[in-house]
Amino acid sequence: EIVLTQSPGTLSLSPGERATLSCRASQSLSSDYLAWYQQKPGQAPRLLIYGASSRATGIPDRFSGSGSGTDFTLTISRLEPEDFAVYYCQQYGSSPRAFGQGTKLEIK
Amino acid sequence: EVQLVESGGGLVQPGGSLRLSCAASGFTFSNYTMHWVRQAPGKGLECVSAISSNGGGTYYANSVKGRFTISRGNSKNTLYLQMGSLRAEDMAVYYCARALRQQLLLDAMDVWGQGTTVTVSS
Repeated sequence: EIVLTQSPGTLSLSPGERATLSCRASQSLSSDYLAWYQQKPGQAPRLLIYGASSRATGIPDRFSGSGSGTDFTLTISRLEPEDFAVYYCQQYGSSPRAFGQGTKLEIK
Repeated sequence: EVQLVESGGGLVQPGGSLRLSCAASGFTFSNYTMHWVRQAPGKGLECVSAISSNGGGTYYANSVKGRFTISRGNSKNTLYLQMGSLRAEDMAVYYCARALRQQLLLDAMDVWGQGTTVTVSS
């Protein structure tokens, strides 16, 4: 069973700054089946990145994903006020299709 | 507009049963793997179950295996989750979600419903 560990748990930054979120898998992911989601309070998750680095439809290019194997990163190049939310990574290449525990991105 | 609308949540006693539904519109429902994902209050996301486009393949999290059954009615564009032997730890918002690409069993989820709340309490 693959376990995903996200770090940091909470990230405090200001609008305009760069955010770097990490997701580490306990085993190498097949074919980089790694996705990133954003969730705001009271809302459903929103797909940002799939296949480790492909942006989903309508996602601004300030969001980028990178990594392979066991180490993955979500980068938000320049934070906008609407980017402050909780971010989850998910592996979908094997069962169980686990999510990480989330990183809360808060306004400093 | 591509849309998923869940229904069927509510208050149920421990040991009870509930059936969730998810009505899909705006896309060819029968071409997509569908998922149920839950989120307990203040907690993270958990993939509960998934079903292939033709219903021939299913997935269950260990936490619900033997108690929950996923199914779909492609003629009705509806996804279901029959939940039985409910426990306090099943209390959560339940989301249905669509796989990103047609016919793929292993995929990210790009369309989500608004969720339906299941409360398990005596």
